[in-house]
Amino acid sequence: GAGVSQSPRYKVAKRGQDVALRCDPISGHVSLFWYQQALGQGPEFLTYFQNEAQLDKSGLPSDRFFAERPEGSVSTLKIQRTQQEDSAVYLCASSPTGLTSVEAKNIQYFGAGTRLSVL
Amino acid sequence: AQKVTQAQTEISVVEKEDVTLDCVYETRDTTYYLFWYKQPPSGELVFLIRRNSFDEQNEISGRYSWNFQKSTSSFNFTITASQVVDSAVYFCALTANTGGFKTIFGAGTRLFVKA
Repeated sequence: GAGVSQSPRYKVAKRGQDVALRCDPISGHVSLFWYQQALGQGPEFLTYFQNEAQLDKSGLPSDRFFAERPEGSVSTLKIQRTQQEDSAVYLCASSPTGLTSVEAKNIQYFGAGTRLSVL
Repeated sequence: AQKVTQAQTEISVVEKEDVTLDCVYETRDTTYYLFWYKQPPSGELVFLIRRNSFDEQNEISGRYSWNFQKSTSSFNFTITASQVVDSAVYFCALTANTGGFKTIFGAGTRLFVKA
């Protein structure tokens, strides 16, 4: 597609359920980011992929959060045993090149996000 | 540590007024990039501008202009003759070399433009 696509747009989960959020980046984009955006706040970095390699997962808040990008395109963010504090908008962004070159602090193209509500 | 501060939580203006959104950043890196993004009600962040730390030249793009001042660690954004369609949340962001792959966002400024 033309832009970054995220699904579902909205997800309601009961506390303790597992959820999976999907991100389809712009075709050919090397870099993929996940962010968590709490209400009234800016996005907070969760994790970064360069192709299929997860190069930074330092922002994942707990071991209940897991992300993968097995073929270097589509990515899934999985949250196990969801808690109320996981309620937020989860944003995915992609960027055309990797972040291992001086010139590569690139513009990120964002999806519309998945709004997760944990009851 | 790296930090971005947007002290204005909400701003309300009447159409055709000029408005400036403030951004102050902190980093010890000498090489870094600053960004502004717009988040309309639909949710996706839309890129507006990127500046690197070696280029302090101000930039104008239509009704938008940006003032980058390293001496005060500020990267302010001005909308001239605001329009209702400018209503959105605006985020300032920072990526620095020692920050690795992280982009640090400010908390955002919500702009209301009334007709």
